Amino acid sequence: GAVVSQHPSRVICKSGTSVKIECRSLDFQATTMFWYRQFPKQSLMLMATSNEGSKATYEQGVEKDKFLINHASLTLSTLTVTSAHPEDSSFYICSALPHGTNEKLFFGSGTQLSVL
Amino acid sequence: DAKTTQPTSMDCAEGRAANLPCNHSTISGNEYVYWYRQIHSQGPQYIIHGLKNNETNEMASLIITEDRKSSTLILPHATLRDTAVYYCIVRPLYNTDKLIFGTGTRLQVFP
Repeated sequence: GAVVSQHPSRVICKSGTSVKIECRSLDFQATTMFWYRQFPKQSLMLMATSNEGSKATYEQGVEKDKFLINHASLTLSTLTVTSAHPEDSSFYICSALPHGTNEKLFFGSGTQLSVL
Repeated sequence: DAKTTQPTSMDCAEGRAANLPCNHSTISGNEYVYWYRQIHSQGPQYIIHGLKNNETNEMASLIITEDRKSSTLILPHATLRDTAVYYCIVRPLYNTDKLIFGTGTRLQVFP
């Protein structure tokens, strides 16, 4: 099956710093990628939709200047949490939609962000 | 908003079949039923999807009622590794729309 690689799997950072999370589709091209956030014991919340070569579309209530998304190629999307604060601590998950077939989404293994 | 409702939690004995129900009474004609599961601290894993016919693959079976307002995911012989949160989602097949997750069912498989 298709593989989505997400790095890092875990990151600890100081308050005020920025953190970049990478999401790569390893064996397929992904025109569209999605970024989710998940707090403990809660469901996944969609943050934004990322389309290759264009600006991301953010869900209501998600600050686009704080969560910078770049989708520069068909195999890579990045999420940068800028000026991170403790309340940004969460599990971030990316998913990718294979180009040419919109049948199902494949998910990365997630990134646990802890902001001190 | 999620278009599905699922029980919050279920238990199942190892080796027995796990039957996970899902209600999607407002499903549209072009929407498929998808099932994903999430094992603790991992990304969701695709299980199966279907439109109106029953589907089976190496992981599970999906039974969709004739009126398509509900479905059941069946894990025929549950193992401890099947302990996870199971999400039922409706979405058009050929569409770039996002997946909206509901609260899911937390399945606990016990020895």
